Amino acid sequence: DGGITQSPKYLFRKEGQNVTLSCEQNLNHDAMYWYRQDPGQGLRLIYYSQIVNDFQKGDIAEGYSVSREKKESFPLTVTSAQKNPTAFYLCASRGGGLRVNTEAFFGQGTRLTVV
Amino acid sequence: SQQGEEDPQALSIQEGENATMNCSYKTSINNLQWYRQNSGRGLVHLILIRSNEREKHSGRLRVTLDTSKKSSSLLITASRAADTASYFCATDAYSGGGADGLTFGKGTHLIIQP
Repeated sequence: DGGITQSPKYLFRKEGQNVTLSCEQNLNHDAMYWYRQDPGQGLRLIYYSQIVNDFQKGDIAEGYSVSREKKESFPLTVTSAQKNPTAFYLCASRGGGLRVNTEAFFGQGTRLTVV
Repeated sequence: SQQGEEDPQALSIQEGENATMNCSYKTSINNLQWYRQNSGRGLVHLILIRSNEREKHSGRLRVTLDTSKKSSSLLITASRAADTASYFCATDAYSGGGADGLTFGKGTHLIIQP
């Protein structure tokens, strides 16, 4: 099936540790995104990538890092510099480049908890 | 920054009634999209309306867009218990450099009472 897959579904991190969240898509989409969602809140953009080997900071990039070595994959690392990492993380993709007016497809999310 | 703001924040209605949610935004857009999120899950796209469109239908969904007022509404007719979810509007303000990402509001939490 075509889609976007996030793993793991739940992740626990000790303070001071870096953790990496996985996001894979087989939709052949150029653009991929990472959003953070806090309880009762909307989605805030962390990073996005429009093409392989290129990515841009979103509104809340501090304490996070990404890579885009393959079209299908856009992993997010939550570093120890992120002071309040406990949240629900959502990855999305869509046909991008110069095309607009397209919908985004979301993964099922990773819930990260700092213990 | 969050551009879209949904209203109301929460809505509880009886099954069979219609549910209306509103979204206001601040800057020019290329399109506006509505998404649904069940608790603890990812978002699912419902409908997209372009900036040059005023109304769009999809099944029991009706979306309107008023660019002069920078507002949109989502109407769900003949609601069902399965419609219970959070609904988000997202604005797409393509800046010419590619897909910059959708900007989401905080959502409306809809509860359908059986």
